[in-house]
Amino acid sequence: NAGVTQTPKFRVLKTGQSMTLLCAQDMNHEYMYWYRQDPGMGLRLIHYSVGEGTTAKGEVPDGYNVSRLKKQNFLLGLESAAPSQTSVYFCASSYGGANYGYTFGSGTRLTVV
Amino acid sequence: AQKITQTQPGMFVQEKEAVTLDCTYDTSDPSYGLFWYKQPSSGEMIFLIYQGSYDQQNATEGRYSLNFQKARKSANLVISASQLGDSAMYFCAMREGRGSSASKIIFGSGTRLSIRP
Repeated sequence: NAGVTQTPKFRVLKTGQSMTLLCAQDMNHEYMYWYRQDPGMGLRLIHYSVGEGTTAKGEVPDGYNVSRLKKQNFLLGLESAAPSQTSVYFCASSYGGANYGYTFGSGTRLTVV
Repeated sequence: AQKITQTQPGMFVQEKEAVTLDCTYDTSDPSYGLFWYKQPSSGEMIFLIYQGSYDQQNATEGRYSLNFQKARKSANLVISASQLGDSAMYFCAMREGRGSSASKIIFGSGTRLSIRP
């Protein structure tokens, strides 16, 4: 039972490069999320999806794009990486409803130089 | 707009003592859920405890309890008999609404708890 799997776990990018972070869940959750975590700022929501084929902007969406072509996968793309996108990225999934918490992936540490 | 506030950036507590981590929230929705997560130095996010806005009793999970004061909009986490392994970052979080409208959780900025031997 894998839960939520993020790949890669670590990545170093040069400014201007692009990359895609993959999140996969095997719990049949409808909702999936991408957060970034920076020191002293907690977790901030980048984008999220409430079902296959849907995406929505979160608190800090600029510079990122997402896709949810399959229910189990949620991809986060950086088209032209910037040093300000150096962060730890967490994917999470859940059922809908206020009484459901998240299942988190283990995180991706991204450094943009 | 919903908001979570954790006013304690860091705390030091002696091993075996109880500790209270503060959390206040702001929402206009009568239906919401409150969560606490633990993030040890290894980085993973671990769910600790949940409290629903309509729950009559405070939630408890082992050594963790949630001191829910609805009128004050506070949801403090209490850890009894602290252990060295409790040293970690702790996040308070909230999810509003019902069904498909309860789409996302917002997090506070966290409290770093350090347990002294």
